[in-house]
Amino acid sequence: DGGITQSPKYLFRKEGQNVTLSCEQNLNHDAMYWYRQDPGQGLRLIYYSQIVNDFQKGDIAEGYSVSREKKESFPLTVTSAQKNPTAFYLCATGTGGGLYKFFGPGTRLTVL
Amino acid sequence: GIQVEQSPPDLILQEGANSTLRCNFSDSVNNLQWFHQNPWGQLINLFYIPSGTKQNGRLSATTVATERYSLLYISSSQTTDSGVYFCAVEHPETSGSRLTFGEGTQLTVNP
Repeated sequence: DGGITQSPKYLFRKEGQNVTLSCEQNLNHDAMYWYRQDPGQGLRLIYYSQIVNDFQKGDIAEGYSVSREKKESFPLTVTSAQKNPTAFYLCATGTGGGLYKFFGPGTRLTVL
Repeated sequence: GIQVEQSPPDLILQEGANSTLRCNFSDSVNNLQWFHQNPWGQLINLFYIPSGTKQNGRLSATTVATERYSLLYISSSQTTDSGVYFCAVEHPETSGSRLTFGEGTQLTVNP
């Protein structure tokens, strides 16, 4: 099946711990993105990567880090520096020069 | 940066009714997409429509780029249409093909 996989679906962590969210795709898309969604709000861009070994900060990158060692994978680490990490995190890929966006099922992170 | 405003924020319909959702944006765009987020959080791409009109079954969309708005039409609504509808745009001078999202329209279709 072609698509975007995010794991886990639900994640609980204690305050002060770093946590890594997985995003894997087999669509052969060059561009990948991480978005954050808070209740009742739209999506905000955290980080994006247009090619392997390169990534750029989005609008709310503070407290997050990413890597892009393989085309298929774009993991997001939520560090202890992120002041309010509880949110719904969505990974997306882009094709057609990045214009066409496709989203994974998301990970709901709760920090206790 | 570019601003995106969606209206109405909430919409409640009876099954079979028609509806129009609006998206206003503050600057020129080279990319506009409509998404549907289902109750489980999955976003589905409905239309890529930086200009013109497209139709897909009971859904259609129109973007008037010169007047900086887009409309999403839902006809003969069904309960499965419930969820949040997002408009997202990209400014041509933005790097990385980055989308800016509106806050969405929460649609509830009652049986």
